[in-house]
Amino acid sequence: QSVLTQPPSVSAAPGQKVTISCSASNFNIENNFVSWYQQFPGTAPKLLMYENNKRPLGIPDRFSGSKSGTSATLVITGLQTGDEADYYCGTWDSSLSGNWVFGGGTKLTVL
Amino acid sequence: QVQVVQSGAEVKKPGSSVKVSCKPSGGTFSITTIGWVRQAPGQGLEWMGGINTIFGTAKYTQKFQGRVTISADKSTKTAYLDLSSLTSEDTAIYYCATERAGFFEYWGQGTLVSVSS
Repeated sequence: QSVLTQPPSVSAAPGQKVTISCSASNFNIENNFVSWYQQFPGTAPKLLMYENNKRPLGIPDRFSGSKSGTSATLVITGLQTGDEADYYCGTWDSSLSGNWVFGGGTKLTVL
Repeated sequence: QVQVVQSGAEVKKPGSSVKVSCKPSGGTFSITTIGWVRQAPGQGLEWMGGINTIFGTAKYTQKFQGRVTISADKSTKTAYLDLSSLTSEDTAIYYCATERAGFFEYWGQGTLVSVSS
């Protein structure tokens, strides 16, 4: 089974930087783009990053993404209390079955 | 700006079926792939399947094969998720989202489906 593993939670103080990892196992993400989604409680997910490191319009440059090998990373700098949310990575598993795979999500707490 | 509007909350009995609709507006439906993602209470995102609205071809994750049907009506520019043989484990929020190559761009507001006897 294809799995994307994220830390369940991360935390940091306002103004600080936080890194959220997304590690693939049992499938290859090296040739596929990773996207990231931000979800506030009670609301739908929102696209935060696409094609590994591209920000949709309106997403501040405090958010950045990267991918290397079998892992992707979301970095948030200059943390704000309004960044407190759940963050999910996702990618297409182009192996035999062909499925979208999401990470389990990371809850960001801004202390 | 594309907006995606889904149908309202549903309460269903175990063993029954539910059909959720999804209507993007402000974009070009005919070149859109629509994906369906569900989120059980307190859990993460789970992709169920999607449909290419040009060709009408649907793809499903193996977990839901045989229980789920995703369809699209070009005339009304609406996509549908049909899930049968419901159990309490299907209680979740069901989201549709427009899918571009490699990411889900615009999401619906979600439809809560509650399954209870």
